Amino acid sequence: GESVGLHLPTLSVQEGDNSIINCAYSNSASDYFIWYKQESGKGPQFIIDIRSNMDKRQGQRVTVLLNKTVKHLSLQIAATQPGDSAVYFCAEILNTDKLIFGTGTRLQVFP
Amino acid sequence: DAGVIQSPRHEVTEMGQEVTLRCKPISGHNSLFWYRQTMMRGLELLIYFNNNVPIDDSGMPEDRFSAKMPNASFSTLKIQPSEPRDSAVYFCASSSLGGGNQPQHFGDGTRLSIL
Repeated sequence: GESVGLHLPTLSVQEGDNSIINCAYSNSASDYFIWYKQESGKGPQFIIDIRSNMDKRQGQRVTVLLNKTVKHLSLQIAATQPGDSAVYFCAEILNTDKLIFGTGTRLQVFP
Repeated sequence: DAGVIQSPRHEVTEMGQEVTLRCKPISGHNSLFWYRQTMMRGLELLIYFNNNVPIDDSGMPEDRFSAKMPNASFSTLKIQPSEPRDSAVYFCASSSLGGGNQPQHFGDGTRLSIL
């Protein structure tokens, strides 16, 4: 996952709606995946992770889905709130400790 | 619990000067990572340490960049001499040594501006 440069994909949702952020990862042998949230002026914050032997994992208001067949990862946020506005990154790890970050998605929540 | 602590939060200096960024990982974490984030290239891994030993420095852009981890609770990233293209936000992250299946926890970064 390389950055697309200056322009991040943006998802705009209304407060209270559910959000779905998608990510395509690069290596079919990757065995661990993480979603991070980054707010302005802060570092990436861990949200939820999933291992390759799972298809779905749920947290508080968030669900991560993993489709290994098409190398696709998604983050679902239930009842999106203004505080959810941030840039969201998926990341994959292959055998080592190195995180490979995907292209970020900017989530904008409007009232 | 204290998270990853980085200092300074902001650094503005003139090109040619030496810059030193500092990081204190989460207590008990064995792995430490330095990243750089820019608008054009996103988050890039520069180097990482396991048990204070550098494991992979292939992301370090040039010889002007160096990193050390003298003990389990402290690491530095140094740029000498600095250049305007080094301007970026530099993040430090730490994790438990778990064969790669442990999340990395990030500090709030150092915003570096080289004039």
